[in-house]
Amino acid sequence: DAKTTQPTSMDCAEGRAANLPCNHSTISGNEYVYWYRQIHSQGPQYIIHGLKNNETNEMASLIITEDRKSSTLILPHATLRDTAVYYCIVRPRNSGNTPLVFGKGTRLSVIA
Amino acid sequence: DTAVSQTPKYLVTQMGNDKSIKCEQNLGHDTMYWYKQDSKKFLKIMFSYNNKELIINETVPNRFSPKSPDKAHLNLHINSLELGDSAVYFCASNDRGSGNTIYFGEGSWLTVV
Repeated sequence: DAKTTQPTSMDCAEGRAANLPCNHSTISGNEYVYWYRQIHSQGPQYIIHGLKNNETNEMASLIITEDRKSSTLILPHATLRDTAVYYCIVRPRNSGNTPLVFGKGTRLSVIA
Repeated sequence: DTAVSQTPKYLVTQMGNDKSIKCEQNLGHDTMYWYKQDSKKFLKIMFSYNNKELIINETVPNRFSPKSPDKAHLNLHINSLELGDSAVYFCASNDRGSGNTIYFGEGSWLTVV
């Protein structure tokens, strides 16, 4: 079972920042927070992951609260191509060959 | 370059047939997976292999038989196809030793009629 809770859906205006929340109140100290997205008819795509510090890459920023019980994925300037289902997943630090467990995710619709 | 590639992308077949979906990764990873995404869009793990050895089998019917000829390939063979097998099947891989990021293929759309 997924250990995260996300809103079912969100809308965002094109060009604005999209902030996608995730609750992972039972996260343990050795678990990372991963974000993936699935654009329609494509395979899941890795976005970013973090342990306790905020992270940024070319796709997004990840803000993790100090108690690590929740996080927010930020797409700074959403485009129509960012319309997708976004999955927040917790996974052990040294998970080796442990598969990702997907929940229902958040369906983000970017609107022109 | 495609990192995780699956063939075929689309497959329509009749009930009772036997079919295979092939997966290859050129990332040098040692672990590969098969996921199933049904009509309700839930992504569920089916199998994982590490260096050609089965690690996880999530109570998948034994009509599904994964085969890993080498660590770069993980094929999925399905016997006696049923209507409920219609789904999108995703192959994925990662390197247990150097990182946890799992990379996915583009999916194989299986329709059983």
